[in-house]
Amino acid sequence: DSGVTQTPKHLITATGQRVTLRCSPRSGDLSVYWYQQSLDQGLQFLIQYYNGEERAKGNILERFSAQQFPDLHSELNLSSLELGDSALYFCASSPTGTGGHAFFGQGTRLTVV
Amino acid sequence: DAKTTQPNSMESNEEEPVHLPCNHSTISGTDYIHWYRQLPSQGPEYVIHGLTSNVNNRMASLAIAEDRKSSTLILHRATLRDAAVYYCILHNQGGKLIFGQGTELSVKP
Repeated sequence: DSGVTQTPKHLITATGQRVTLRCSPRSGDLSVYWYQQSLDQGLQFLIQYYNGEERAKGNILERFSAQQFPDLHSELNLSSLELGDSALYFCASSPTGTGGHAFFGQGTRLTVV
Repeated sequence: DAKTTQPNSMESNEEEPVHLPCNHSTISGTDYIHWYRQLPSQGPEYVIHGLTSNVNNRMASLAIAEDRKSSTLILHRATLRDAAVYYCILHNQGGKLIFGQGTELSVKP
């Protein structure tokens, strides 16, 4: 158990809908990362938050947004869903920037039908 | 972002050592070398990391070249449960973690 909790584990929704994925980082970790993993793309970095502020952005679509709340949990919002958004979405957390490593959750499997 | 280069796949026999190479010729002085692995249908799992000196932990050893342009992850005795995709990543303090394609390790009994 990494200490990072992602909910829900599985999500099935229709095209055009909007979903919210939730991540609870390890206690005390200030950084949260979101990744998308589809079969043909590998692990794609989406976005990173550090203590509530956006720190780095990757290949995140405009239809996707994220935020980190004062209690440090994070949410990834995916809207106007398309079939191609079906993927595993991973959240990771890490402590303050001292070269420490990240801990990953078990992921949310999103299926868009 | 500094990039890493790894072989796409490697094979090993059970209970033999495995050396997984990684090239990172554009590494900067503040980049840590991290290794993660991902078992099927699971999230990536931290294996080991280092800056300049070789590192050992209960899972593996990390050998870092003197010029830091390459590193090797060493699994001392591969087991079937070590079959996974292994990622070598350069991580700047507090910065983003960018995963490459990794090396898919298969372990034969």
